[in-house]
Amino acid sequence: AQTVTQSQPEMSVQEAETVTLSCTYDTSESNYYLFWYKQPPSRQMILVIRQEAYKQQNATENRFSVNFQKAAKSFSLKISDSQLGDTAMYFCAFMKQLAGANSKLTFGKGITLSVRP
Amino acid sequence: GAGVSQSPSNKVTEKGKDVELRCDPISGHTALYWYRQRLGQGLEFLIYFQGNSAPDKSGLPSDRFSAERTGESVSTLTIQRTQQEDSAVYLCASSYPWTGAYGYTFGSGTRLTVV
Repeated sequence: AQTVTQSQPEMSVQEAETVTLSCTYDTSESNYYLFWYKQPPSRQMILVIRQEAYKQQNATENRFSVNFQKAAKSFSLKISDSQLGDTAMYFCAFMKQLAGANSKLTFGKGITLSVRP
Repeated sequence: GAGVSQSPSNKVTEKGKDVELRCDPISGHTALYWYRQRLGQGLEFLIYFQGNSAPDKSGLPSDRFSAERTGESVSTLTIQRTQQEDSAVYLCASSYPWTGAYGYTFGSGTRLTVV
């Protein structure tokens, strides 16, 4: 079974600064996907960024980037130029790469990020 | 529809009553997932539907929980004889088949409170 650990329950950052959210995971799989999802107060989970484990290059999406360390099983999210709209809960998640269509996710407990004006 | 629609948005029920939660996925999305999010916790997988294939029910926590899906459209999650530990946000998500690895679309969930 897979586990995802987010050890920081809360973080705070000043607007326009950079913040890094940590995530570690445990798996015996060699091929998988990793995700960061954002959950604002509206409750809807929004995909922020994804990483394919077989790719060495770290994924980037505008102000969001990851530091993927496969050997260390670490997958941190860096948010640059933080904006007030980034205030939300952030969840790290793991998905096996399966031959079938079932793409269920295993989530960490999440981290509450507050961006201060 | 434009997004995944869930109803009701909030539900308060008395312990021991049955509740039914509804999810209307995006048109064409044959894959549908239910997750449970307890307060302060991450999401836990409950059940997965893909077209007319047998669902993956491996995440259902007890036999009080069941779910159905009519073809490739609406799904209902039923909790019988609700208990206080069932209080949580229940989230539904959908995707095209074989594309879940690109991320799927979540609804805004149903917040269930058992009193």
